[in-house]
Amino acid sequence: DVQMTQSPSSLSASVGDRVTITCRASQSISNYLNWYQQKPGKAPKLLINAASSLQSGVPSRFSGSGSGTDFTLTISSLQPEDFATYFCQQSWSTPKTFGQGTKVEIK
Amino acid sequence: QVQLQESGPGLVKPSQTLSLTCTVSGDSFSSGEYYWIWIRQPPGKGLQWIGHIHFSGATYYNPSLKSRLTISVDTSRNQFSLKLTSVTAADTAVYYCAREAMVPAASFDYWGQGTLVTVSS
Repeated sequence: DVQMTQSPSSLSASVGDRVTITCRASQSISNYLNWYQQKPGKAPKLLINAASSLQSGVPSRFSGSGSGTDFTLTISSLQPEDFATYFCQQSWSTPKTFGQGTKVEIK
Repeated sequence: QVQLQESGPGLVKPSQTLSLTCTVSGDSFSSGEYYWIWIRQPPGKGLQWIGHIHFSGATYYNPSLKSRLTISVDTSRNQFSLKLTSVTAADTAVYYCAREAMVPAASFDYWGQGTLVTVSS
């Protein structure tokens, strides 16, 4: 299985801050990397697929980059509705695997 | 617009079988472009991909669950189902069904709301 490691596990930030979350794969996965946002009690929501393609309706303050084994999710200016947990997920090989999540909390 | 809805018992006794069904609304269920997925999330923990099924009936299971798992499809009802046998407390989780779009890079673009299944006597 491809292991996905996210860092940090949690972070505290203020509204307006720039936030960066990293995700590392245990082997090269090309650009087969997706990012999800999950709020408490809700299903995850797809934000970005293929490493950098923003889903329709997702604000442009979200962006993704990377290829191979190293990927980043950036929120350019954190908004109150962005406080949530973020997961990366590889779709290079089956079984599909997720990172352990990064919880973004209010500072 | 695609909608998915999980249904099934919220409480299962240890050693018994967990059974869930996902009902899909919208016109994509019999499209060859998608897989239909089960994912679970133990309370306070991360996400685990359980397995997928294509409308043709082709399946792939997570090897860690394969010996206990069956996923099936009923195209006449736009439903797919999960059966997990010999459950233990470790199978307690919120179970989600989802759609996997195969292109451009397979991703889970629509999800059900999730259903909590507790394994307890």
